[in-house]
Amino acid sequence: GESVGLHLPTLSVQEGDNSIINCAYSNSASDYFIWYKQESGKGPQFIIDIRSNMDKRQGQRVTVLLNKTVKHLSLQIAATQPGDSAVYFCAETDYGQNFVFGPGTRLSVLP
Amino acid sequence: EPEVTQTPSHQVTQMGQEVILRCVPISNHLYFYWYRQILGQKVEFLVSFYNNEISEKSEIFDDQFSVERPDGSNFTLKIRSTKLEDSAMYFCASGDATDTQYFGPGTRLTVL
Repeated sequence: GESVGLHLPTLSVQEGDNSIINCAYSNSASDYFIWYKQESGKGPQFIIDIRSNMDKRQGQRVTVLLNKTVKHLSLQIAATQPGDSAVYFCAETDYGQNFVFGPGTRLSVLP
Repeated sequence: EPEVTQTPSHQVTQMGQEVILRCVPISNHLYFYWYRQILGQKVEFLVSFYNNEISEKSEIFDDQFSVERPDGSNFTLKIRSTKLEDSAMYFCASGDATDTQYFGPGTRLTVL
């Protein structure tokens, strides 16, 4: 069902364009970061992860960039498709503990 | 493909009642987690469980909450005396040694 309450930042992109979703994290000790996709009414789905000893990691159509200097994480989705429409949020953890999730960004893919 | 399952999908209860939310993690996983997501808000960590004991818990996970792995397959979250503010989606997750967590579909808890 539809969510009410906090309004999530929304990113609208045309189908076929690239999407960039950003996340600022808070704990400088965090060593592991994950991007999740959450479709309406479903649980979070793992997309891609990155460890703090890396700056970039690529998956299928997705790339995660990590900038530890400014504590910033981004998710790039290439050739965005309608099925990519969802809420995306990042999570950080230090050594598998203290998982902290970001508030999420709603990605809306326009036809 | 193995997946985490949760039951029930929706639980309605009266304030003050006890509820037990059930999860069946992926069979070879050793790390188990509970999270909650209040409607429209971000996912919040509740507790992690490894080797038959709690390894980490958040401030939300107070004395009203408990977790148990009663047998080799189930992982449960019990709320002893529910409050209105406990209404949320509760997600179970399990993981192996790689830190990746796999989430279940969630149980929507509604406290009246």
